[in-house]
Amino acid sequence: DGGITQSPKYLFRKEGQNVTLSCEQNLNHDAMYWYRQDPGQGLRLIYYSQIVNDFQKGDIAEGYSVSREKKESFPLTVTSAQKNPTAFYLCASNRDHSNQPQHFGDGTRLSIL
Amino acid sequence: GENVEQHPSTLSVQEGDSAVIKCTYSDSASNYFPWYKQELGKGPQLIIDIRSNVGEKKDQRIAVTLNKTAKHFSLHITETQPEDSAVYFCAASGGYQKVTFGTGTKLQVIP
Repeated sequence: DGGITQSPKYLFRKEGQNVTLSCEQNLNHDAMYWYRQDPGQGLRLIYYSQIVNDFQKGDIAEGYSVSREKKESFPLTVTSAQKNPTAFYLCASNRDHSNQPQHFGDGTRLSIL
Repeated sequence: GENVEQHPSTLSVQEGDSAVIKCTYSDSASNYFPWYKQELGKGPQLIIDIRSNVGEKKDQRIAVTLNKTAKHFSLHITETQPEDSAVYFCAASGGYQKVTFGTGTKLQVIP
């Protein structure tokens, strides 16, 4: 079955640490996205990538970094500069960043120790 | 940029009744309006979408209506069942612009 796999499902971060969230898709989609979900605030875009080796900042990119070295993979690093990282993080993809449905993974819940 | 407002934030209905969730958008250039269902601990899943050249679309018990003049669109679920209980998100986008999501509606279907 094609889909998006996010790992780990739960992640804990100590103060001052960077952590990396994994996102892999086997849908052959060109575009990939990272969203942050907080209660009552819907989904907010962190970063997106339309093609390998290219990515753009979304609405809340500060304190986060990404890479897109392979079409299938779009890892998100939550850096120590992100002062309020506790949230549910969702990765998504679609065919070509046009008006196409996004396919989502099942998320990673990040908490601070 | 685009702003999407979604109401209500919570909705309780008796099993078998209908549920309606409404969204408004601000950017007249938006032309694609998907609806997603998110179950607890899962990622959102597309349940229905509509493009601006269509006023209504149905898929079994689910329908979406779009009023481009008023810039609002609605999700209608008929004959609700307990498995319809979830959080529903509307969204809007135009061309190659990013998708803007509403803040979600938590639907509870009471058996």
